[in-house]
Amino acid sequence: EAGVAQSPRYKIIEKRQSVAFWCNPISGHATLYWYQQILGQGPKLLIQFQNNGVVDDSQLPKDRFSAERLKGVDSTLKIQPAKLEDSAVYLCASSSGWGPYEQYFGPGTRLTVT
Amino acid sequence: AQTVTQSQPEMSVQEAETVTLSCTYDTSESDYYLFWYKQPPSRQMILVIRQEAYKQQNATENRFSVNFQKAAKSFSLKISDSQLGDAAMYFCASFSSGSARQLTFGSGTQLTVLP
Repeated sequence: EAGVAQSPRYKIIEKRQSVAFWCNPISGHATLYWYQQILGQGPKLLIQFQNNGVVDDSQLPKDRFSAERLKGVDSTLKIQPAKLEDSAVYLCASSSGWGPYEQYFGPGTRLTVT
Repeated sequence: AQTVTQSQPEMSVQEAETVTLSCTYDTSESDYYLFWYKQPPSRQMILVIRQEAYKQQNATENRFSVNFQKAAKSFSLKISDSQLGDAAMYFCASFSSGSARQLTFGSGTQLTVLP
């Protein structure tokens, strides 16, 4: 079974530029999550989708972050414009349902904003 | 709101020895679940063990076991017969089935295994 795929693995941009991350979850997983992990901290949930609908985006900075899940499968997370404090690893995860299920994580995208 | 606290930023253990990682949590929900996730260097985060709050019996997965103290809101992870491959960042996390319904992570404990 293929795991959660993410790309790119690394990205360096200047502040005020835009960036997009892509995630392909495990086949058949209805729930997809985006987390932000700042160095030295635990992952913080940004947004979670159930199929192609948003179930929780309360911690997503909506003035600069946006996310979508196309046809209930792949997802993209965008930052525009980026700030220095957005430097972090962005993790995508998926699970079979929206609940206390095991979450399967991708390798993450390490973003550096200079 | 849920909070998860890991007070040990770093721990070390000798290979083949036993180590315990500490975690405390706080939630107002009665229906919740607790997890330990492992994040090896440059590798994906994976689930180590899961505990349902309504179960009194402590969860066990091979060399990994938990000490779940519900009244104290404590959820520690014990790793027995530590192996070099156990070296990783370990995150404690909680999930409440109430209004929040999201996984909340602690700040992590970096475990070093000494040969």
